[in-house]
Amino acid sequence: QKEVEQDPGPLSVPEGAIVSLNCTYSNSAFQYFMWYRQYSRKGPELLMYTYSSGNKEDGRFTAQVDKSSKYISLFIRDSQPSDSATYLCAMSALTGGGADGLTFGKGTHLIIQP
Amino acid sequence: NAGVTQTPKFRILKIGQSMTLQCTQDMNHNYMYWYRQDPGMGLKLIYYSVGAGITDKGEVPNGYNVSRSTTEDFPLRLELAAPSQTSVYFCASRPRQQGPPTEAFFGQGTRLTVV
Repeated sequence: QKEVEQDPGPLSVPEGAIVSLNCTYSNSAFQYFMWYRQYSRKGPELLMYTYSSGNKEDGRFTAQVDKSSKYISLFIRDSQPSDSATYLCAMSALTGGGADGLTFGKGTHLIIQP
Repeated sequence: NAGVTQTPKFRILKIGQSMTLQCTQDMNHNYMYWYRQDPGMGLKLIYYSVGAGITDKGEVPNGYNVSRSTTEDFPLRLELAAPSQTSVYFCASRPRQQGPPTEAFFGQGTRLTVV
């Protein structure tokens, strides 16, 4: 079993729909959970960052973490064509200044149809 | 503010050739990383560095070498290129900070094809 599982898609939804993107993980030491957005032929950019279990909201985006189920989600409300991108979940078990890289999911390719 | 700059953007190599992928950041970040991204496979860590003169292997280091002589630069060297090294390579950096991991900033990527 890979450390982080993410359905690569593609996931195609109509404009205005609510989008749900998910990752599962196996390493119970992960404490920090991130979502990166990557447009075609660009580098990833940080979208959301959460610590431990709970919800975090930022505009149309909501990130959820359920550590008991080892499951994280990203919800996009009122989806726009400009949201079309690949969304990568990333996780870290770091505390206090360690430098190891993040563990990434494969990324989900999202297409918002106008 | 340029952020993380990678050169070249594209390159085609023949099997057995060597090349260096360049990465420069102007944010004075201590930590720098090299990832490769294969289609449908996510990002895999190749090497990372916590500061000038210090480097360490990541998940997939075979066939690659790195050096870190300055805070700004973190070049990735491919010796004896193989078709399995066909990928998109991303350099990233982030500041050193006590507490939770800080945001990583990525370059635009280098698309490498080995034929």
